[in-house]
Amino acid sequence: DIQMTQSPSSLSASVGDRVTITCRASQSISGYLNWYQQKPGKAPNVLIYAASSLQSGVPSRFSGSGSGTDFTLTISSLQREDFATYYCQQSYTTVRTFGQGTKLEIK
Amino acid sequence: EVQLVESGGGLVQPGGSLRLSCAASGFTFSNYWMHWVRQAPGKGLVWVSRINSDGSSTNYADSVRGRFTLSRDNAKNTLYLQMNSLRAEDTAVYYCARDAPPGLFDPWGQGTLVTVSS
Repeated sequence: DIQMTQSPSSLSASVGDRVTITCRASQSISGYLNWYQQKPGKAPNVLIYAASSLQSGVPSRFSGSGSGTDFTLTISSLQREDFATYYCQQSYTTVRTFGQGTKLEIK
Repeated sequence: EVQLVESGGGLVQPGGSLRLSCAASGFTFSNYWMHWVRQAPGKGLVWVSRINSDGSSTNYADSVRGRFTLSRDNAKNTLYLQMNSLRAEDTAVYYCARDAPPGLFDPWGQGTLVTVSS
């Protein structure tokens, strides 16, 4: 199975900061990479699909990039409601593995 | 509204069995692959299993293969996860999710908690 590794595992930032989260696949997954946001006690919601496509209804401060094995999620200007845990997921194979998550906390 | 609603979670003893259900509405269920994902308390998301649109093909994570069985009833718009020989490490919130092109999980259900404990 393809392994997904996110970094960092946790991150402290302030409202208004620009934040980048990285996801690396154990083999090339082309552009088959999705990003999810999860808040405590809630199911995840998709933010970005196919590496760089913004899901309908998601604010434009979220963006994604990358291809092959290396991907990034960027939040251009953090808002209070963005403090959550973020997961990458590959959809290159039928076994849709997730990264271990990045918890974004308020500094 | 596209919606998934899980049910069937609860407390079960080690070695016991449980069947989870996921009722779909608001879309043509028989057109989509479906998945289960679990999340142990305080931990990350872990993919569990996947079934194709007509139920003829399934995949499982190594940790559940041989113990869990995924099936679907397209006439009832319902997904099932039969869990046997349950272990303490199976304790988690279990989510069902639709596999929407090009492979994103959307939507997710609200989750159902399975606790394996004596």
